[in-house]
Amino acid sequence: GAGVSQSPSNKVTEKGKDVELRCDPISGHTALYWYRQRLGQGLEFLIYFQGNSAPDKSGLPSDRFSAERTGESVSTLTIQRTQQEDSAVYLCASGRQGSYNEQFFGPGTRLTVL
Amino acid sequence: GESVGLHLPTLSVQEGDNSIINCAYSNSASDYFIWYKQESGKGPQFIIDIRSNMDKRQGQRVTVLLNKTVKHLSLQIAATQPGDSAVYFCAEITDSWGKLQFGAGTQVVVTP
Repeated sequence: GAGVSQSPSNKVTEKGKDVELRCDPISGHTALYWYRQRLGQGLEFLIYFQGNSAPDKSGLPSDRFSAERTGESVSTLTIQRTQQEDSAVYLCASGRQGSYNEQFFGPGTRLTVL
Repeated sequence: GESVGLHLPTLSVQEGDNSIINCAYSNSASDYFIWYKQESGKGPQFIIDIRSNMDKRQGQRVTVLLNKTVKHLSLQIAATQPGDSAVYFCAEITDSWGKLQFGAGTQVVVTP
């Protein structure tokens, strides 16, 4: 069956530009998570959605980062006025209600800010 | 703050041997501990998890051990194969929403 998909797979942008990253979770998964992975490092939690509400935004690094989700489907992560330190792989995961211990990850979007 | 970390950044293992990847954690309140495998260019893939009230759990060729006394987690891979070459992350669920806190990862390299 279809897994979590993310687009674009790669994004190169200039410093100061805004970018939008998209995540399509597995159908029926109520939980959706965004993580950031810098080169050679582990994943950092950014934000979590339960349905279309975001009870935990604690990981967003600055007010340049925002995310939204439409119902229990697609989510977009927006980074405004990108900085070079934003360069990373942005990963999305989804999970079923009551089974949050098993999250399914997408392939990620590799963001490079020049 | 509390965190999850790994002892060894790189593990080289001969094909057919058993692998052991270690992880230390500090958050005693975590309910689940999870191992993920990440191949180059891909997202992490769930391998196995263990609840905090268990000491051991076995899957296909993998075993996870949890020692709460010393806050230590390990992943054992039996008869390591070339396809096991990847970065392995331990993670813990730190709240009721399923928020994962990851360690830095261990690169496993399987040699013929």
